[in-house]
Amino acid sequence: GESVGLHLPTLSVQEGDNSIINCAYSNSASDYFIWYKQESGKGPQFIIDIRSNMDKRQGQRVTVLLNKTVKHLSLQIAATQPGDSAVYFCAEIRFGNEKLTFGTGTRLTIIP
Amino acid sequence: NAGVTQTPKFRILKIGQSMTLQCTQDMNHNYMYWYRQDPGMGLKLIYYSVGAGITDKGEVPNGYNVSRSTTEDFPLRLELAAPSQTSVYFCASGGSGYEQYFGPGTRLTVT
Repeated sequence: GESVGLHLPTLSVQEGDNSIINCAYSNSASDYFIWYKQESGKGPQFIIDIRSNMDKRQGQRVTVLLNKTVKHLSLQIAATQPGDSAVYFCAEIRFGNEKLTFGTGTRLTIIP
Repeated sequence: NAGVTQTPKFRILKIGQSMTLQCTQDMNHNYMYWYRQDPGMGLKLIYYSVGAGITDKGEVPNGYNVSRSTTEDFPLRLELAAPSQTSVYFCASGGSGYEQYFGPGTRLTVT
């Protein structure tokens, strides 16, 4: 069936460097994508979202890029900090569905 | 606002026992969801609700039941617990947008 997947299960980045987390999706009908951050022992927390009619969206230290041609989504985190260490999930939804489909997740570790 | 609250935080069940995981939200959201998360994995949708009195199955509903008698509460019932139900359970709610707000989770072990 349709799925949202991630290229890499783990990623280690030096503190202060930028990190890029990737996500591939297979459903071209996806309308909306969300990135969640999950710290150890906690529930997922919303980071940023992007609609399918956009290519880029920026937040505070985070940028999401969407390439619909190759069905690829990425989350860029600038100037990483120790508090950025977490598992990051991408999720997709089709309007009218009300159900998110989550990817497996990427564990980001910030090296001091 | 407390957001989404879940009880209990931890629970150990014996095979065949039953329990109810409680979930309450105070954001007046219509949509509520139950997910399970196995170690090292993503979230799988168990059941969801688009409003009081309305529930529907998600991806992995077998072995679970839900009810939604009020907007605030969305309890998840496990009947005849099995080791395969050992997992972390998250409840979430959502309003008119597509963002979902998650509770802190319930860690369940079935032995």
